[in-house]
Amino acid sequence: EIVLTQSPATLSLSPGERATLSCRASQHIRTFLAWYQQKPGQAPRLLIYDASNRATGIPAKFSGSGSGTDFTLTISGLEPEDFAVYYCQQRSNWPLTFGGGTKVEIK
Amino acid sequence: QVQLVESGGGVVQPGGSLRLSCAASGFTFSRHGMHWVRQAPGKGLEWVAFVRHDGLIEFYADSVKGRFTISRDNSKNTLYLQMSRLRTEDTSIYYCAKDGGIEVAPSEFDYWGQGTLVTVSS
Repeated sequence: EIVLTQSPATLSLSPGERATLSCRASQHIRTFLAWYQQKPGQAPRLLIYDASNRATGIPAKFSGSGSGTDFTLTISGLEPEDFAVYYCQQRSNWPLTFGGGTKVEIK
Repeated sequence: QVQLVESGGGVVQPGGSLRLSCAASGFTFSRHGMHWVRQAPGKGLEWVAFVRHDGLIEFYADSVKGRFTISRDNSKNTLYLQMSRLRTEDTSIYYCAKDGGIEVAPSEFDYWGQGTLVTVSS
């Protein structure tokens, strides 16, 4: 099973700042990585697929990069609605797995 | 627009069974694989099961293999999850999610339902 390790667990930032979230895979997964945002009481929402492609309707302030084992989600200019939990997920191998999540909270 | 609406959640005793449903609309259901993903209270996301677009191939997480069965009825645009021999650790919100691709290999989960809560407790 591919283990995804997200860091940091919590990121405390102020509105307007840039957020940099990390996801490391225990094996090479090429670019088969997605990022999701989840707000309290809501279902997750797809942000990025295949490491760097924004999903439909996702603003350009969200960007993804990486390949192999190291991946990054960057959120430029945090707005109040961006404070949430973010998960990475791999689709390279069965079973599909998620990282443990990074909570982006208001400082 | 794509809509996924889960139902069937509730409270069940350990060892019991429950069947979840997910009604899909807004896309060609028969062309896409479908997934179940769960989230225990206050915890992260866990992928549970996948069924191919034609219903002929299934994959499961080890934690549910042999106890849960995923299936679909393309004539009714509905996905199912039959859960048996339930354990307290199966307590979660269960989400159905649409696979973003149309190939055999899985893609990202591009749309999610709002989830249905399953509580396993005596």
